[in-house]
Amino acid sequence: DTEVTQTPKHLVMGMTNKKSLKCEQHMGHRAMYWYKQKAKKPPELMFVYSYEKLSINESVPSRFSPECPNSSLLNLHLHALQPEDSALYLCASSQVRLAIYNEQFFGPGTRLTVL
Amino acid sequence: GENVEQHPSTLSVQEGDSAVIKCTYSDSASNYFPWYKQELGKRPQLIIDIRSNVGEKKDQRIAVTLNKTAKHFSLHITETQPEDSAVYFCAASRVGGGSNYKLTFGKGTLLTVNP
Repeated sequence: DTEVTQTPKHLVMGMTNKKSLKCEQHMGHRAMYWYKQKAKKPPELMFVYSYEKLSINESVPSRFSPECPNSSLLNLHLHALQPEDSALYLCASSQVRLAIYNEQFFGPGTRLTVL
Repeated sequence: GENVEQHPSTLSVQEGDSAVIKCTYSDSASNYFPWYKQELGKRPQLIIDIRSNVGEKKDQRIAVTLNKTAKHFSLHITETQPEDSAVYFCAASRVGGGSNYKLTFGKGTLLTVNP
């Protein structure tokens, strides 16, 4: 399996809802990432997990809560979002090899709309 | 931090012509430069990359050049085809020193290849 999968593909939620995005990979990658992408903009890094531990948090608001329950799964828990949080949420994964750039493989994304 | 500028923001060419997209970066410590292609509604996919110890790399109709002194790199697509139409993102990364994970993206170039 050489793909990163994400569910759901589309999500519509109200500002008071709690929802979760899920990402899965079976390539043996030990780094996983969450990105946010607005229309016609580049992906913006939100979080990085390395060996299931949070390695980077790009000052993301606490209404976004990441979780990495095991080496294959990455979740993003959403609570009390704002309409401006509507975007495409991309997951990515990569190997972790020192002194070498590790290609990031992206999932297809979850299109999130906050009403 | 790193800043990547990308030009042009839109590019329209006739099928069979060449297309060139240019990026500049600010951090002289950046040493890895990937290019991603993102078709409408699809995930970003790595199409070519170059490391700072190489001046040019070619893969069929796609080539990337790097000028470390001037801190700029370019993507060249020859014999363009309609299926090359997409948004192209350049990126810069600093491998090593715990910074293997972070990609700084340019703002993207919308390439349209007209039949």
